[in-house]
Amino acid sequence: KQEVTQIPAALSVPEGENLVLNCSFTDSAIYNLQWFRQDPGKGLTSLLLIQSSQREQTSGRLNASLDKSSGRSTLYIAASQPGDSATYLCAGARRGGATNKLIFGTGTLLAVQP
Amino acid sequence: DAGVTQSPTHLIKTRGQQVTLRCSPKSGHDTVSWYQQALGQGPQFIFQYYEEEERQRGNFPDRFSGHQFPNYSSELNVNALLLGDSALYLCASSFGEWGIDTQYFGPGTRLTVL
Repeated sequence: KQEVTQIPAALSVPEGENLVLNCSFTDSAIYNLQWFRQDPGKGLTSLLLIQSSQREQTSGRLNASLDKSSGRSTLYIAASQPGDSATYLCAGARRGGATNKLIFGTGTLLAVQP
Repeated sequence: DAGVTQSPTHLIKTRGQQVTLRCSPKSGHDTVSWYQQALGQGPQFIFQYYEEEERQRGNFPDRFSGHQFPNYSSELNVNALLLGDSALYLCASSFGEWGIDTQYFGPGTRLTVL
């Protein structure tokens, strides 16, 4: 059974700080890992998708890395802003059956203080 | 280009009732997955539809059933509602059987069972 763990569960930082969110997974057979943002009571917004053949992806102030050998992914947010406050979820997918079934972590609740 | 849409936005039902939730995938997408997200948790996979067939189920009872139509839209039906079915129900769409691309999520339907 694949499990996805996210640390920390909650994080509060002052505006402008660089930060790292961590995601670990027990199944190294994933073929992609996706990071999502969720605002309170809302759906999920895809931030970055990393294929297993890739090591990192970048979008603006966001950078996500994937290390399959250690079962870890990190989401780096540069120069954080109050608008970044949300819950960040990572999800892994593996082949077989529903080939893009996502297994989610429980998320990191981020608060960026102005 | 409309993204993934879901209806209704909110729904209140009583125990024992039945509910139908609807999802229209992003234009060009042919695969629809449904997830249940309880408060404070990551989304849990319910099932996935491709070419009008259920590809795989998560660990959900038979009270949860679904359907995909020729236009790729989908419905989630839940019978004999329990208090524990109260959650945010998310629909996600992607392209292709192997789903190597990003999954896009709708805004969700908030179901409250009284």
